[in-house]
Amino acid sequence: DQQVKQNSPSLSVQEGRISILNCDYTNSMFDYFLWYKKYPAEGPTFLISISSIKDKNEDGRFTVFLNKSAKHLSLHIVPSQPGDSAVYFCAASAYSGAGSYQLTFGKGTKLSVIP
Amino acid sequence: DAGVIQSPRHEVTEMGQEVTLRCKPISGHNSLFWYRQTMMRGLELLIYFNNNVPIDDSGMPEDRFSAKMPNASFSTLKIQPSEPRDSAVYFCASSLAGQNQPQHFGDGTRLSIL
Repeated sequence: DQQVKQNSPSLSVQEGRISILNCDYTNSMFDYFLWYKKYPAEGPTFLISISSIKDKNEDGRFTVFLNKSAKHLSLHIVPSQPGDSAVYFCAASAYSGAGSYQLTFGKGTKLSVIP
Repeated sequence: DAGVIQSPRHEVTEMGQEVTLRCKPISGHNSLFWYRQTMMRGLELLIYFNNNVPIDDSGMPEDRFSAKMPNASFSTLKIQPSEPRDSAVYFCASSLAGQNQPQHFGDGTRLSIL
């Protein structure tokens, strides 16, 4: 049972346009959400995050939106650049005891930005 | 700053052999996580440590898998005996303890069991 779902395995966007990556979750105990970016043969790299008490967080070209009632978050990249081509993972965090927080990942969306 | 360092980057071995994957977390980080990535299941948490103590190993698939963290700067994930279905990319990640601390990943070990 997938608690974090990224329903689009892939997305193609023209350079300069907006990329919108979506993520849905089912567990209401998740209280912190992150996006990671992964290039081939490398580990995931932290990109941006949002706390459940907020509905938007912006960092340069990247903005994450959270809709708690719909259990949905999205990552907007604008303008998209060819270097943004990568796999993007959505992750959700919940307290797991002993002062630790555990991440649950979606399966990723492969973004291709076409020059 | 040095990131999370994993070794080896690639491992090819025959079924039945023992495999040991190594991880050096970022200095000062006190949480360490082992993940496995496959096409079918994506990124799965296998086990994690807090201050060198295993907290949750419910993701470890079988008794063939074991993990240790003898000190704050080193962890191993061992598979004995290995099987072809263990073929995957294994990632180690570390973070500061506490909420809202992002995990930092190594570049992974690509394991192939023949």
